[in-house]
Amino acid sequence: NAGVTQTPKFQVLKTGQSMTLQCAQDMNHEYMSWYRQDPGMGLRLIHYSVGAGITDQGEVPNGYNVSRSTTEDFPLRLLSAAPSQTSVYFCASSLQIPGLAGGGAGELFFGEGSRLTVL
Amino acid sequence: GDSVTQMEGPVTLSEEAFLTINCTYTATGYPSLFWYVQYPGEGLQLLLKATKADDKGSNKGFEATYRKETTSFHLEKGSVQVSDSAVYFCALKDNFNKFYFGSGTKLNVKP
Repeated sequence: NAGVTQTPKFQVLKTGQSMTLQCAQDMNHEYMSWYRQDPGMGLRLIHYSVGAGITDQGEVPNGYNVSRSTTEDFPLRLLSAAPSQTSVYFCASSLQIPGLAGGGAGELFFGEGSRLTVL
Repeated sequence: GDSVTQMEGPVTLSEEAFLTINCTYTATGYPSLFWYVQYPGEGLQLLLKATKADDKGSNKGFEATYRKETTSFHLEKGSVQVSDSAVYFCALKDNFNKFYFGSGTKLNVKP
């Protein structure tokens, strides 16, 4: 089972370059999200989506764009990379169960991560 | 807003020692609670979960009980192994399916 697939696993950029981190899931999950993980800061939510055509900002959205044209894909775009965006990025998805108390037991499924270095 | 606070690490234990990693939360409504584990170089994996008060999640010898009265979800294991060395994250999911993560606690288990 593929689950959540992220590409690339490693990337080095120069300041000002643009790139897209790809994320795809094959579990028909409505909810998808992007996190960044930095030392001592845990996971911080960048953007999320509750379904195709719907996206919203998380805790640290500046410098990142997202779109959700299909249920399966949720790419993260860096339009002009900065050294502060050096981080490990994780895509995650979950089965949204609206209307249930606590949203049900739909846990997050994570990709293996993408390590980005901006010089 | 909702939030999760977990004990800072690193936590260093000898093999077969008892483990507790504290986690407390602030939330409105009825959140679900989770513990995730991240092994070196990998993504996060679900370790255990609980969806309502007094539920106990358990997996691979780890346990955590959803305590609404103390807003806590402490992770415990009776006898840790070297292979348990990893970073552990406490998390909650609110009624809008939004997740909040703690900052993570690194566990080092020495032989």
